[in-house]
Amino acid sequence: QVQLQQWGAGLLKPSETLSLTCAVYGGSFSGYYWSWIRQPPGKGLEWIGEINHSGTINYNASLKSRTIISLDTSKNQLSLNLDSVTAADTAVYYCARHGVRGFSYWYFDLWGRGTLVTVSS
Amino acid sequence: EIVLTQSPATMSLSPGERATLSCRASQSVSSYLGWYQQPPGQAPRLLIYDASNRATGIPARFSGSGSGTDFTLTISSLEPEDFAVYYCQQRSSWPRTFGQGTKLEIK
Repeated sequence: QVQLQQWGAGLLKPSETLSLTCAVYGGSFSGYYWSWIRQPPGKGLEWIGEINHSGTINYNASLKSRTIISLDTSKNQLSLNLDSVTAADTAVYYCARHGVRGFSYWYFDLWGRGTLVTVSS
Repeated sequence: EIVLTQSPATMSLSPGERATLSCRASQSVSSYLGWYQQPPGQAPRLLIYDASNRATGIPARFSGSGSGTDFTLTISSLEPEDFAVYYCQQRSSWPRTFGQGTKLEIK
């Protein structure tokens, strides 16, 4: 059974860089798109960006200037870096796998458990 | 950016009742809309993709309909585990966007 395990620093100061990693266990990394999505406490979901095995990347324009999403295919890991964080970046951050091509390819059918990142001075 | 507006914000129903949740898009998304369920403290789970297709393992009591700008998620007979927050999401264009959610609570 495929699982996504996430980790990264949970408490940051304003202006620091958020760095999260998501590892894929028990399944193939290739052939899928992978996304990062965040959810501020008590609020809705915001898509941050996506990447596929070939390195094609799409970002949310609202965060693009501060965001880097990357893959390490040798380790089956996905990473998120978000620069110059503020309190507005406080959220649970999820990594998610997209569905199978031809079916739910552009939807998020497998999610990590989420990592709460708090930005506070 | 396509804005998705869900209604109602909160819905109070009893187990066994039928739930009808709405999602309206600010412009046509064709049939490129999905629905997710998020229980408290958990990650979302994909229920429906492309308006009416149930994701793997989703019970038949969940169904989706609609096209263009107006979509509906129907739960035919509520089970206790169905009380959660539901989100719609469009994949018609970037950025991918979600509705603000409908909370389905026990009456």
